[in-house]
Amino acid sequence: DAGVIQSPRHEVTEMGQEVTLRCKPISGHNSLFWYRQTMMRGLELLIYFNNNVPIDDSGMPEDRFSAKMPNASFSTLKIQPSEPRDSAVYFCASSFGRRNTEAFFGQGTRLTVV
Amino acid sequence: KQEVTQIPAALSVPEGENLVLNCSFTDSAIYNLQWFRQDPGKGLTSLLLIQSSQREQTSGRLNASLDKSSGRSTLYIAASQPGDSATYLCATGGTASKLTFGTGTRLQVTL
Repeated sequence: DAGVIQSPRHEVTEMGQEVTLRCKPISGHNSLFWYRQTMMRGLELLIYFNNNVPIDDSGMPEDRFSAKMPNASFSTLKIQPSEPRDSAVYFCASSFGRRNTEAFFGQGTRLTVV
Repeated sequence: KQEVTQIPAALSVPEGENLVLNCSFTDSAIYNLQWFRQDPGKGLTSLLLIQSSQREQTSGRLNASLDKSSGRSTLYIAASQPGDSATYLCATGGTASKLTFGTGTRLQVTL
């Protein structure tokens, strides 16, 4: 398996624009996570899906952020409108099962909002 | 709310040394603890996963231990190599596989 695949790897956008980040989890995994990494706050969980259903979105910073998982092999994280403080590295991770399972991370998308 | 702390924040050692990285957490009600490696500009690579019922896990030169009651885990790296230079992150696994990460230890192994 190619692992968790994220696209794009880098994104530079202007403030106010819509940004869509994409993730393909490992085949067979039924849990998917979106994390954000910044120097100030480290790695933070944004949202968690299990069997394509959002289970916990308490980490989503505000209404400008939304995430979808239309099927088991694809998820998106959208920011609309984007702001400079959204600049960070966004990671997608997947695992099998709901507990006691190893999480595998993608390479991340480095987002810069200018 | 779970808080995970890693000490030291940065560490520099000469090649060949054995070293220990520390991770502490405030809430002992965890399902597992996972150690990751992150290279600059890269994603996270899972190194070891310790279930809450286990005391340690080993993989090659790496050994991770877990003491749930005291809220501590250590990652032991034997015979360090320059290729081990990276940031090491520990994360506790709570309900629904949610991970809470520490801030990491940046390791530099010098020739």
